[in-house]
Amino acid sequence: NAGVTQTPKFQVLKTGQSMTLQCAQDMNHNSMYWYRQDPGMGLRLIYYSASEGTTDKGEVPNGYNVSRLNKREFSLRLESAAPSQTSVYFCASMPPGTGDFPLHFGNGTRLTVT
Amino acid sequence: GEDVEQSLFLSVREGDSSVINCTYTDSSSTYLYWYKQEPGAGLQLLTYIFSNMDMKQDQRLTVLLNKKDKHLSLRIADTQTGDSAIYFCAESKNRDDKIIFGKGTRLHILP
Repeated sequence: NAGVTQTPKFQVLKTGQSMTLQCAQDMNHNSMYWYRQDPGMGLRLIYYSASEGTTDKGEVPNGYNVSRLNKREFSLRLESAAPSQTSVYFCASMPPGTGDFPLHFGNGTRLTVT
Repeated sequence: GEDVEQSLFLSVREGDSSVINCTYTDSSSTYLYWYKQEPGAGLQLLTYIFSNMDMKQDQRLTVLLNKKDKHLSLRIADTQTGDSAIYFCAESKNRDDKIIFGKGTRLHILP
């Protein structure tokens, strides 16, 4: 049981390049989220997916696209990277039901755009 | 709109109590959370409170909620060096709804 796994851990891109950040969870969670964390800005929600097949915009969706490929995987794509997208990206998932509901976080992807 | 505000820094002497404060704007927030982030790691849920509660205690942690003032606080009793981290306040309307985080309070422990 690996929890929430993000790949890659680190990435450097040039402005205009594209890439996909991968996230997978093996806990059978319904809800999945992508956040970015910037110094002094806390965590800001980019996109989330309440269930397989659905996605919704968060606070800062511009410049990103997401795919909820199946229940396990929720990917984040940068079509044309910009220096403003330099950040640490966290994927998270939430268990279903009405019991305890901690948001499980991955360890993050540190992205630098030059 | 939704907004969660908290101070960015707090310094506390080891052994004293730490109180981290948070205010939120959305009166329909039902779930209020405190998360802890240690260096180089993701966030971990510390505790949470429902909006129909005033207080929740869990070992050294006490959460107080003033729903009228939309004010949430986290008290850590007998603060230890291992409590040094960034603490995030967060809120959501429903259990599976988006969760909005504050900017985080960096807790620094003085010897």
